[in-house]
Amino acid sequence: DAGVTQSPTHLIKTRGQHVTLRCSPISGHKSVSWYQQVLGQGPQFIFQYYEKEERGRGNFPDRFSARQFPNYSSELNVNALLLGDSALYLCASSLMQGASYEQYFGPGTRLTVT
Amino acid sequence: QQQVKQSPQSLIVQKGGISIINCAYENTAFDYFPWYQQFPGKGPALLIAIRPDVSEKKEGRFTISFNKSAKQFSLHIMDSQPGDSATYFCAASMAGTYKYIFGTGTRLKVLA
Repeated sequence: DAGVTQSPTHLIKTRGQHVTLRCSPISGHKSVSWYQQVLGQGPQFIFQYYEKEERGRGNFPDRFSARQFPNYSSELNVNALLLGDSALYLCASSLMQGASYEQYFGPGTRLTVT
Repeated sequence: QQQVKQSPQSLIVQKGGISIINCAYENTAFDYFPWYQQFPGKGPALLIAIRPDVSEKKEGRFTISFNKSAKQFSLHIMDSQPGDSATYFCAASMAGTYKYIFGTGTRLKVLA
């Protein structure tokens, strides 16, 4: 079975631009979460989506938004990019069934803002 | 109260030795504690996880020890191998949520 997939792998944007990152969860998983990982730090929670609804939001500005589609894939959008948005953006999928809280991460999208 | 404190920041271990990484938390509402392994340029990979109702969980060479009263948990890697050289993150989440709070990471290097 394929794991979590993310696209693109890398991208470079200029300050003030907009970016869209994409994620496909593990087959059968209905929940997707997004995390930001700045170099040398642990991942920081941005959003969680389940059945197309936002279930959780981290301490990030409104420039960050996301959505989940009927096939459970997800997009993370970031507007008005700042230099500080440069990071590895990780998507994690979860089965969200019973008492399982396991999250499985994708390889990430490396965003560089210049 | 939302923080998870991880130590040490870096660790060097000889091949065959035991690697020990520690984490501490304040929020008693946390009830799920996973450990992740991350290689450079890759996403974190789930290693092992524990809930507060058990004091120890072992999977292969990896063991989590959990001390609920001290609000601490640790990862032990037995018979450490050069291939274990990676950054390790502990995390915690509250019941009913998938919002993980991650530690700051431990960079492990196992010498051949």
